[in-house]
Amino acid sequence: NAGVTQTPKFQVLKTGQSMTLQCAQDMNHNSMYWYRQDPGMGLRLIYYSASEGTTDKGEVPNGYNVSRLNKREFSLRLESAAPSQTSVYFCASDRSGETQYFGPGTRLLVL
Amino acid sequence: RKEVEQDPGPFNVPEGATVAFNCTYSNSASQSFFWYRQDCRKEPKLLMSVYSSGNEDGRFTAQLNRASQYISLLIRDSKLSDSATYLCVVIYGGATNKLIFGTGTLLAVQP
Repeated sequence: NAGVTQTPKFQVLKTGQSMTLQCAQDMNHNSMYWYRQDPGMGLRLIYYSASEGTTDKGEVPNGYNVSRLNKREFSLRLESAAPSQTSVYFCASDRSGETQYFGPGTRLLVL
Repeated sequence: RKEVEQDPGPFNVPEGATVAFNCTYSNSASQSFFWYRQDCRKEPKLLMSVYSSGNEDGRFTAQLNRASQYISLLIRDSKLSDSATYLCVVIYGGATNKLIFGTGTLLAVQP
């Protein structure tokens, strides 16, 4: 039981490049989330998916898109990366709407 | 004013000490409260939920004061392994998209 997995662990992009962050969970959770964590800002919700086939914006969705591919997988796409998107990205999932389980994170640097 | 506020620390304490963290929240409609622990360069993990009557888990005690809108975490007999950042988390109205994280309090337990 791997829990929540994320790929890649690290990524360096140039401004304007695109990339997709992958997330998968094997806990049969309905809800999945993408957060970013910046120094002094705490975790901020980018997008979430309450169930397969649905996605909704969180607090900071601009510059991102998401896809809930199936119940297990939830991907985050940066179409045109900007230096302001340099951050640590965490994927999370939950069943009950309370306790969230996080993946190990993706460290992204945009030059 | 931030929705969830924590003293960022760092709290530097010797092994065996008792240390307490407070967290204040601004929305009186908040319904659920948690403490998460985040080790350096790792993902957040649930430490404990916080119940209205207060609850204890080994050396850790969590308290909730709804009238004053704050929650607290008490750690007794601190261990080196307790060194981490402690995140206060508040949920409004049971909606998963309203999971609000504090910026965290850094604890460093010294030998």
